[in-house]
Amino acid sequence: SQQGEEDPQALSIQEGENATMNCSYKTSINNLQWYRQNSGRGLVHLILIRSNEREKHSGRLRVTLDTSKKSSSLLITASRAADTASYFCATGLDGGAQKLVFGQGTRLTINP
Amino acid sequence: GAVVSQHPSRVICKSGTSVKIECRSLDFQATTMFWYRQFPKQSLMLMATSNEGSKATYEQGVEKDKFLINHASLTLSTLTVTSAHPEDSSFYICSARSWGPYTDTQYFGPGTRLTVL
Repeated sequence: SQQGEEDPQALSIQEGENATMNCSYKTSINNLQWYRQNSGRGLVHLILIRSNEREKHSGRLRVTLDTSKKSSSLLITASRAADTASYFCATGLDGGAQKLVFGQGTRLTINP
Repeated sequence: GAVVSQHPSRVICKSGTSVKIECRSLDFQATTMFWYRQFPKQSLMLMATSNEGSKATYEQGVEKDKFLINHASLTLSTLTVTSAHPEDSSFYICSARSWGPYTDTQYFGPGTRLTVL
């Protein structure tokens, strides 16, 4: 079953603008991860944030995590056409197998 | 970074045949691999967890006799879709878990698009 809900489902912005995507989840987590998927391709791991972290940066990416609200956000700054893709959050639940539960995803379109 | 490959990338088969999909971790060992399926414009749904040297763990609603998983080595897991039917047509993605003292990440393969006629 899906745990994460992402908002918005689709986002279209102009190149150079910032893109913000949100993810909410329902149960306690060990970590939350963000992935990118280009159409018809596999997933690319972007960033992992642990449950005891509140914010993390990686290049143009900024991820926040609010465990009290069970939500996370992914900010992509200075967007580029190549950022056009679907973005998924995935929550890692407690346990050794590190099963991931994926959200529905946000389809991001960057217009040149 | 860690690389995971899948073969084939695309397969078209007739209804009733079996199809085997391979998932390989190319530059790391993975005791745990995962198999997902994804329908168009939808998210990934975990099918099963593949453990090297032991039986796979299937998610609720996934038929283990339909989707046979074998994880015979630390770098290879296979998913066999037996007696495939058109409703099995989907995008199948595997991932391999890489973990250690400072990391615990799943690396995904490029996916296999299965079309059953």
